[in-house]
Amino acid sequence: SAVISQKPSRDICQRGTSLTIQCQVDSQVTMMFWYRQQPGQSLTLIATANQGSEATYESGFVIDKFPISRPNLTFSTLTVSNMSPEDSSIYLCSVSVNYGYTFGSGTRLTVV
Amino acid sequence: SQELEQSPQSLIVQEGKNLTINCTSSKTLYGLYWYKQKYGEGLIFLMMLQKGGEEKSHEKITAKLDEKKQQSSLHITASQPSHAGIYLCGADRLETSGSRLTFGEGTQLTVNP
Repeated sequence: SAVISQKPSRDICQRGTSLTIQCQVDSQVTMMFWYRQQPGQSLTLIATANQGSEATYESGFVIDKFPISRPNLTFSTLTVSNMSPEDSSIYLCSVSVNYGYTFGSGTRLTVV
Repeated sequence: SQELEQSPQSLIVQEGKNLTINCTSSKTLYGLYWYKQKYGEGLIFLMMLQKGGEEKSHEKITAKLDEKKQQSSLHITASQPSHAGIYLCGADRLETSGSRLTFGEGTQLTVNP
């Protein structure tokens, strides 16, 4: 099964700045997914990232706020832009594997 | 609208007690996944169910998918403090560009020693 290395594991950022989260997978995968988990809530899909094409964003999420890169089949980044306290969440990446989906360990973001 | 309804939202049990968490979909489920999340951490895969009537067990945790493939239950026998966490059910959502996973609201489980 795929192993995902996600970093940073946590960060505290000033409002108005941007943070880039990285996910590295130990095998090639076609689809990578980015989720947000707001405090006390479940996971919400932000976008799907396929290598060689633009990410597909879910309703309520836009590329200007959450730009995604997918330069190859093992790596992706999610940037949270122009942050506000409402962006304080856990962000997780995920990949599709044989038995379903596996997840990174998450990035806990606090915006002050 | 929320595709997956999970209940209860929270559950507090005494160590040793059995418990059940339910996950209901308004649509036929193509793949139903159960995950566990410790506070502030990533998701731990528990089980995947695909066939109507399917049942899987791992240690003290059993998951079932009903014949109509619209409801799943997760049952923990003789709960322990190590079972505490957030349990999430997820469903494959088929799109033209491929499948992706959507989640229920989660169940917060507390096991008191």
